[in-house]
Amino acid sequence: SYELTQPPSVSVSPGQTAKITCSGDALPKKYAYWYQQKSGQAPVLVIFEGSKRPSGIPERFSGSSSGALATLTISGAQMEDEGDYYCYTTDNSGNPLFGTGTKVTVL
Amino acid sequence: EVQLVESGGGLVQPGGSLRLSCAASGFTFSSYWMHWVRQTPEEGLVWVSRTNNDGTTTTYADSVKGRFTISRDNAKNTLFLQMSSLRAEDTGVYYCARDVAHIDCWGRGTLVTVSS
Repeated sequence: SYELTQPPSVSVSPGQTAKITCSGDALPKKYAYWYQQKSGQAPVLVIFEGSKRPSGIPERFSGSSSGALATLTISGAQMEDEGDYYCYTTDNSGNPLFGTGTKVTVL
Repeated sequence: EVQLVESGGGLVQPGGSLRLSCAASGFTFSSYWMHWVRQTPEEGLVWVSRTNNDGTTTTYADSVKGRFTISRDNAKNTLFLQMSSLRAEDTGVYYCARDVAHIDCWGRGTLVTVSS
C-alpha cells in the first residue's frame, strides 16, 4: 500500500528558510497538497496541485516536486508558521492519503 | 463563508455505537463530495470514509469497513457517520471535510473516546 513519509520535525530560525519533504511512490503520478495545522485548530490548505497557493496564503509558502519527492518551502519563516504540516495525495483508488506529519518549530 | 460544524462525539464503551453529524453552510452542499477524517497523536491524520454528492457512492478505509456508515441529508445540509462496534483504536478527533478534487476545507472536529 502507498505511504507518504515526512520528517518528524524541522526547526528554523525566524527569517530563514524551512524545507519539509514528503516522499512516496504515489507522488510521481499524483499532485501533492500541503496542510498547515496549528495547535487545537483544523488543518488549513496552504498548497494545492503541487505548487499553487490558495487565496490568502502568504507568498513565502511554495511547493515543488521531483519524482517521488514533494517539498514545501517556507521562505522567511515567521513565528506564526509554527505548527504541524501534512502532505496529502490520493492512492490508485482515489482515496485520500496523508503524510506522517512534520512539526515545524521557529526559534 | 464556508462552515463545517461537527457534533455527536463523546465517551463510549468498546462495542458501542455513536452517530456523528456535520452541519454545512456557506456553499451548495449537494454539489460536493464529503469526507470523514480521524486524527490521533499517534497516527496523525487518517482518512475514514467519503461519499459522493448524492450519497449513492461511499468508500471506507479497511479499518472501519463493515462497522461505519457514511450518509448525508442534502435537504438539511448535513453529513453523518454512524459508528458501531467501536474499538479503542477508533478514538480520536473526527473531522468532516469538503472535497473539490482534493480536500479544501475542514470543520473543527469532534472528539470520540472509546474506553471502558
